[in-house]
Amino acid sequence: GQQLNQSPQSMFIQEGEDVSMNCTSSSIFNTWLWYKQDPGEGPVLLIALYKAGELTSNGRLTAQFGITRKDSFLNISASIPSDVGIYFCAGDFNAGNNRKLIWGLGTSLAVNP
Amino acid sequence: ETGVTQTPRHLVMGMTNKKSLKCEQHLGHNAMYWYKQSAKKPLELMFVYNFKEQTENNSVPSRFSPECPNSSHLFLHLHTLQPEDSALYLCASSQDWAGDTQYFGPGTRLTVL
Repeated sequence: GQQLNQSPQSMFIQEGEDVSMNCTSSSIFNTWLWYKQDPGEGPVLLIALYKAGELTSNGRLTAQFGITRKDSFLNISASIPSDVGIYFCAGDFNAGNNRKLIWGLGTSLAVNP
Repeated sequence: ETGVTQTPRHLVMGMTNKKSLKCEQHLGHNAMYWYKQSAKKPLELMFVYNFKEQTENNSVPSRFSPECPNSSHLFLHLHTLQPEDSALYLCASSQDWAGDTQYFGPGTRLTVL
């Protein structure tokens, strides 16, 4: 089946550092989504990308839809302690009538104040 | 504030119990989903409802029984569960069918003894 490879699996950084994570796939996606999940909560949508090459920002977060439509990255600038959590990418896969979101395994981010 | 609410937030049940999880969305969406989230696994899509009709059942055991009385409410009825069913159960909704941007509830943390 379709798979998303999300990396890194985990990161431990100092407050103020920039962070970068990415997702790749062998399949082409129509949409890339980035979510953040805090402990004990459901994932919250951070950024949605709908076109190849699209670069979108949301505050200190920036994400891009890869030009090949097979990858996406998320950058966080000047990290702060509340950035701690698990970040998930998800891709909208469409093959005929079989349309679904495919999820990465997540990147766990820890920020040292 | 999330537009998707779930109750209860925590549930402990024995293998012979019957319980139900409830989800309600206040976003005016037409599609609702149940996911299972276990440690070190990607989000597992269980059921999809679109306009109250079940459109997807991803080989979920019959001890999980969904119910969607209207497009705002979704239930997951549980009976004779196994300890390996312990997980975070997430409800989500989207404007239209699977693949559209999904908004999640906070989840129900289920422990089966």
